[in-house]
Amino acid sequence: ETGVTQSPTHLIKTRGQQVTLRCSSQSGHNTVSWYQQALGQGPQFIFQYYREEENGRGNFPPRFSGLQFPNYSSELNVNALELDDSALYLCASSRQGQGPETQYFGPGTRLLVL
Amino acid sequence: QQQVKQSPQSLIVQKGGISIINCAYENTAFDYFPWYQQFPGKGPALLIAIRPDVSEKKEGRFTISFNKSAKQFSLHIMDSQPGDSATYFCAADSGGYQKVTFGTGTKLQVIP
Repeated sequence: ETGVTQSPTHLIKTRGQQVTLRCSSQSGHNTVSWYQQALGQGPQFIFQYYREEENGRGNFPPRFSGLQFPNYSSELNVNALELDDSALYLCASSRQGQGPETQYFGPGTRLLVL
Repeated sequence: QQQVKQSPQSLIVQKGGISIINCAYENTAFDYFPWYQQFPGKGPALLIAIRPDVSEKKEGRFTISFNKSAKQFSLHIMDSQPGDSATYFCAADSGGYQKVTFGTGTKLQVIP
């Protein structure tokens, strides 16, 4: 088990609503990346946060936003939910500059949009 | 745009057999190629990884073969065991930025 935790584990929302997902990074890690994993697909990079600022974004619209806090934990916010947002949302923590092999994934939050 | 293509989508192997999963990439800036193992209800876990300066890396029963000129790499699982049944993802990263591009996954089932 990694030291990366995510909450909640499951969530059901309706189209048009807003959702906030949370991630606590592993001790010693200062970078958090968020991924979306649709059913039967590989994870897709949403964005990364380092030093409380966005440090790169994948091909996701602005209604996907995030925050990183001084303790390196992070939130993913999704506004105006769409049915296609139903997916497993994974966060991964790492230490900037120490290579991608130090990136550890949490168990994910499964979001269902009805 | 799918930058890492993975095949097969699913694979059934007898216990003790060899499991082979193949991937191809397009972006020549990729310089790190990990394989992840994911069990149901869990996040992906790093299994083994390779950099393009070597053609093969072996860790226990798991081997990555890498062909830089063909932009292809593969995972071989020797002596496959039922406990290896999981979904495997190849992936790629560039510049150590930890913004990993994943393949579509291969669901492996090892039958006794």
